[in-house]
Amino acid sequence: GAGVSQTPSNKVTEKGKYVELRCDPISGHTALYWYRQSLGQGPEFLIYFQGTGAADDSGLPNDRFFAVRPEGSVSTLKIQRTERGDSAVYLCASSLDPGPTDTQYFGPGTRLTVL
Amino acid sequence: KNEVEQSPQNLTAQEGEFITINCSYSVGISALHWLQQHPGGGIVSLFMLSSGKKKHGRLIATINIQEKHSSLHITASHPRDSAVYICAVRGPGGGADGLTFGKGTHLIIQP
Repeated sequence: GAGVSQTPSNKVTEKGKYVELRCDPISGHTALYWYRQSLGQGPEFLIYFQGTGAADDSGLPNDRFFAVRPEGSVSTLKIQRTERGDSAVYLCASSLDPGPTDTQYFGPGTRLTVL
Repeated sequence: KNEVEQSPQNLTAQEGEFITINCSYSVGISALHWLQQHPGGGIVSLFMLSSGKKKHGRLIATINIQEKHSSLHITASHPRDSAVYICAVRGPGGGADGLTFGKGTHLIIQP
């Protein structure tokens, strides 16, 4: 079946602009995660959804970052007033049931470049 | 916050060698994941461990909960094993916690 998909695959924007990154999880997966990976680093947790609600948004770096999942499926990560330091690969993952031993399936990521 | 350390950061070996990558973490966890990331960004989950040992093909993963340490072993390594291997842990809250990742080990297997 289809895996996790993310669009766009690449996004180049100018400092100060607004961007939206989309994640389509695997059908039926209730848990959805957003991570950010800077060059040469491991991924960093941003936010986790269980259904439509954000169960844990402690990883969002500041209030310029916001994410929604209005129908419990597709999620959008929104970044306002982008800064050069926001440049990274944004990864989305989903899992069937967010127990301690569930497997997260990762999307290919969106590479964001802020000029 | 859990601190996840991996070693080595970079590893180059010859085809056929036995490979070991180590991961240590600072705080109790509910599960530990080993992930593989190929150039271009795709991440694949290899193992998820909460205790003991798991084996899949030429890959073996072990975890020692008391010592807060895990190892990933690759037997009879092959150039197609070249990738970044990432250790990630899930906190004791289980599903309420996102993963905390190590920085990864960049493995190159030369023919």
